[in-house]
Amino acid sequence: EAQVTQNPRYLITVTGKKLTVTCSQNMNHEYMSWYRQDPGLGLRQIYYSMNVEVTDKGDVPEGYKVSRKEKRNFPLILESPSPNQTSLYFCASRGTVSYNSPLHFGNGTRLTVT
Amino acid sequence: RKEVEQDPGPFNVPEGATVAFNCTYSNSASQSFFWYRQDCRKEPKLLMSVYSSGNEDGRFTAQLNRASQYISLLIRDSKLSDSATYLCVVTPGRGQNFVFGPGTRLSVLP
Repeated sequence: EAQVTQNPRYLITVTGKKLTVTCSQNMNHEYMSWYRQDPGLGLRQIYYSMNVEVTDKGDVPEGYKVSRKEKRNFPLILESPSPNQTSLYFCASRGTVSYNSPLHFGNGTRLTVT
Repeated sequence: RKEVEQDPGPFNVPEGATVAFNCTYSNSASQSFFWYRQDCRKEPKLLMSVYSSGNEDGRFTAQLNRASQYISLLIRDSKLSDSATYLCVVTPGRGQNFVFGPGTRLSVLP
């Protein structure tokens, strides 16, 4: 089944403790992206990647890192999490052959930083 | 002005009603347009792409007006299962950032 898989689904951590949220897709998509969703603010892009070893900042990149060493994986790294990073996170991917290719989302990671 | 704006909602409609959502975008270079639905605390899922000539998928009809930079979604014969938040999504083109509207909440009541 074609899908985007995120782990973990839920994560509670403390301020300053490094964490990684994994994202993997099995559709051979070039483009992958991370979003956070907060009440009243909608979906905001954190980082995106056009292909392996190509990453770029989205609208809210501060406090986050990403890497794209393989086409299928795009982990999101919080080196020193803070409470304002408490949010619902989504990974997404899309093929870029057609300009009309939609985004496919993972099922989300709910992060709480205390 | 926000890049993508939607009707603020919420829309509360009875089963069987017809409901229309509107969306406007500010980037005239936008090339791709989509409607997604999102259930509470779940991931957005593609409802339909929006094509220049307009398109229909069962009870759902999407329209695009490039001149007015306006997209619409019409839902006919609303079902309880249509209750969700509907997101208007715009992108300048291939591989570019997707810009999401704030969403319009729909509740279909029995």
